[in-house]
Amino acid sequence: DGGITQSPKYLFRKEGQNVTLSCEQNLNHDAMYWYRQDPGQGLRLIYYSQIVNDFQKGDIAEGYSVSREKKESFPLTVTSAQKNPTAFYLCASSISRRSNTGELFFGEGSRLTVL
Amino acid sequence: GENVEQHPSTLSVQEGDSAVIKCTYSDSASNYFPWYKQELGKRPQLIIDIRSNVGEKKDQRIAVTLNKTAKHFSLHITETQPEDSAVYFCAASKGSGGGADGLTFGKGTHLIIQP
Repeated sequence: DGGITQSPKYLFRKEGQNVTLSCEQNLNHDAMYWYRQDPGQGLRLIYYSQIVNDFQKGDIAEGYSVSREKKESFPLTVTSAQKNPTAFYLCASSISRRSNTGELFFGEGSRLTVL
Repeated sequence: GENVEQHPSTLSVQEGDSAVIKCTYSDSASNYFPWYKQELGKRPQLIIDIRSNVGEKKDQRIAVTLNKTAKHFSLHITETQPEDSAVYFCAASKGSGGGADGLTFGKGTHLIIQP
């Protein structure tokens, strides 16, 4: 069954701790993205990657870090430097920028709560 | 950068009536305009998109119109049904939808279908 898998679905963190959210896709997509969703704020881009070993900052990258060591995987680390980390995080992928379709395929999301 | 405004934030309509959600964008170079639907507790999914070389696109009960001169585009849902209840996001980008020319999302419209 092809798709994007995010884990964990729910995560609780104490202030000052780093946490890593997992995102794996078996769609053979080149591009992967991390979005943050807050009530009434839409979807805001944190980081994106178009190819293995390369990634770029999105609109709200401060306090976050990513890696893209494998095509299938794009983990997001929420560091202690992120001032307001409680949010719903969505990972997505798309075929590539060279494709005529820009459709994003989303995972089911990870809800992070900082206690 | 691109700025996408979406209105209204909440829309309540009677079942069977039509619903219209409007978005405006700021960057005249934007050429790709998708709409995503997010049901409660689920991932966003693409429902329809339009490129700047056409003015209207229809798919059964949903349609999207684009006015490049005015820089606005709209989602039209006719004969609304209970399963249309969801949050709808518009977006705009200059590329095919990903990467450096990535999507900028509106803040979303919560559509409520009243029985």
